[in-house]
Amino acid sequence: EAGVAQSPRYKIIEKRQSVAFWCNPISGHATLYWYQQILGQGPKLLIQFQNNGVVDDSQLPKDRFSAERLKGVDSTLKIQPAKLEDSAVYLCASSLGTVFDEQFFGPGTRLTVL
Amino acid sequence: QKEVEQDPGPLSVPEGAIVSLNCTYSNSAFQYFMWYRQYSRKGPELLMYTYSSGNKEDGRFTAQVDKSSKYISLFIRDSQPSDSATYLCAMSANDYKLSFGAGTTVTVRA
Repeated sequence: EAGVAQSPRYKIIEKRQSVAFWCNPISGHATLYWYQQILGQGPKLLIQFQNNGVVDDSQLPKDRFSAERLKGVDSTLKIQPAKLEDSAVYLCASSLGTVFDEQFFGPGTRLTVL
Repeated sequence: QKEVEQDPGPLSVPEGAIVSLNCTYSNSAFQYFMWYRQYSRKGPELLMYTYSSGNKEDGRFTAQVDKSSKYISLFIRDSQPSDSATYLCAMSANDYKLSFGAGTTVTVRA
């Protein structure tokens, strides 16, 4: 079974530039999550999708972050404009979407904002 | 106060030693307790999962939950160099939202 795929793996940008990350979840997984993991901290949930719809985006900085999940499969997370404090690893995870099931994480995209 | 507190370590032990990791939490609504292992440059992977209080054993790994003290633990017996990783505790109430600890970095010396 293929795992969660993410690209790019690494990205370096200047502050105020924009950047986008892509995630392809495990086939058949209804729920998709984006997490932000700052160095030395645990992952923090940014947004959760159930199929096409947003379940929780309470911790997404909506003035600069946006996310979409096209046709309930792939997802894109965008930051525009980026700030220095956005430097982190952005993890995508997916799960079947039943009552409490395992979240499978992708390898993450490491973002450095200079 | 953070919702989940975890000592970041680092923790260095010789091969064969018992590794003891723990987390405390403040949200009494948490009922699902997990331990994730994260290797360098990789995403977290689920190691152990416990619902409510009690112990759970899986091979060399034992997870304990004490809801009365809001304290969870993970023990790794006969530790191996391949156990060297960051261990993250995570918790959830009756929904999908996970609250993670900061992670403890463990090195097992051969």
